[in-house]
Amino acid sequence: QSALTQPASVSGSPGQSITISCTGTNSDVGGYNFVSWYQQYPGKAPKLIIYEVSSRPSGVSNRFSGSKSGNTASLTISGLQAEDEADYYCSSYTTSSPFVFGTGTEVNVL
Amino acid sequence: QVQLQLWGAGLLKPSETLSLTCGVYGESFSTYYWSWIRQTPEKGLEWFGEINSSGNINFNPSLKSRVTISIDTSKNQYSLKLYSVTAADTAVYYCAKSSGWFAFDYWGQGSLVTVSS
Repeated sequence: QSALTQPASVSGSPGQSITISCTGTNSDVGGYNFVSWYQQYPGKAPKLIIYEVSSRPSGVSNRFSGSKSGNTASLTISGLQAEDEADYYCSSYTTSSPFVFGTGTEVNVL
Repeated sequence: QVQLQLWGAGLLKPSETLSLTCGVYGESFSTYYWSWIRQTPEKGLEWFGEINSSGNINFNPSLKSRVTISIDTSKNQYSLKLYSVTAADTAVYYCAKSSGWFAFDYWGQGSLVTVSS
């Protein structure tokens, strides 16, 4: 099972919106609505910020939103803030593993 | 509040067995699946497998041949054994709770395991 493909880095200025893509296949992202997103700071464990494509756990800012089209899922961070500078990973249920993660995206706030 | 705390040996020699245990606090052990995940700079996050209180286990097929996952419901703990480790198994290992939404909603603090001769 190959990792889901994410851009290595995405940058934006404070207040802007950025979008991180997560591309898989119809055996994972495209086949199930079980895409989740995680935020990770250096030296810390990942934190769940989106599940089931677009749902937010309690306590997660509504500046984070998720969507999916075909085999690509997306995480949008609106109103970018300095505290959003972190690594972001997607994950999907898959027929083979049954979980696969994305390659990870570093978000830089300029 | 759910807390996961893991412990185990941090330095191993090649061919030895990695052994980690995760204690679960503040949550009913019986309701969910409990996972093992590792992270390396080269391969990123990699899911090993999961177990529930009934002993039902799902494995990552690519790692299944070297992995044992077990559970002790009396202690609210579950464990990972990875056999015949190599330098490629050097990673930060996490335990995590598998939510009902096919996501991982609580994570342990992570434990660096280094394999070196």
